[in-house]
Amino acid sequence: RKEVEQDPGPFNVPEGATVAFNCTYSNSASQSFFWYRQDCRKEPKLLMSVYSSGNEDGRFTAQLNRASQYISLLIRDSKLSDSATYLCVVKTNTGNQFYFGTGTSLTVIP
Amino acid sequence: DADVTQTPRNRITKTGKRIMLECSQTKGHDRMYWYRQDPGLGLQLIYYSFDVKDINKGEISDGYSVSRQAQAKFSLSLESAIPNQTALYFCATSQSGSLYNEQFFGPGTRLTVL
Repeated sequence: RKEVEQDPGPFNVPEGATVAFNCTYSNSASQSFFWYRQDCRKEPKLLMSVYSSGNEDGRFTAQLNRASQYISLLIRDSKLSDSATYLCVVKTNTGNQFYFGTGTSLTVIP
Repeated sequence: DADVTQTPRNRITKTGKRIMLECSQTKGHDRMYWYRQDPGLGLQLIYYSFDVKDINKGEISDGYSVSRQAQAKFSLSLESAIPNQTALYFCATSQSGSLYNEQFFGPGTRLTVL
């Protein structure tokens, strides 16, 4: 079983739409959670960390559900510039390794 | 800005050749990682290092070796390249000490093995 699983999409949404991505993780010892953004053929870049109480950064909201072992990312008022692949990342406290999902592709359409 | 750099950015080579990919960082981070990315497979960890001369195998270390002779540098070698090692390779760094210290990635090296 993969450490981190994401729906690969693709998600094609119109500008201004709200879109949500989910990600599940298998290791209950996982301690830290992140969403990264990766543009085509570029390096992944941190979008936001995910805190236990949930957190918001402008149009982006991240939630963590430890009981069900999933994290989510909500993007409101989608912009063309949000088109990218979004990677779910989980870090365990034991080995201190980062585990990446395969990514969810988002295209925002004019 | 403190940065993670990789050289070369692109490389085409032939089967059987020895290749070295270099990673340097000015972030002062203690931890460094090498990943490869293939379409549809996400990022796979090759090797990682938590300090100078500390080396740990990742998920897919076969056919690769690494060297960490200085905190700022982490090199990846393909001793005898084969076509299925054609991929996008990323170096990453992170700092120990906090659960929420994230990874920072270099720009990637696109490697083609013919």
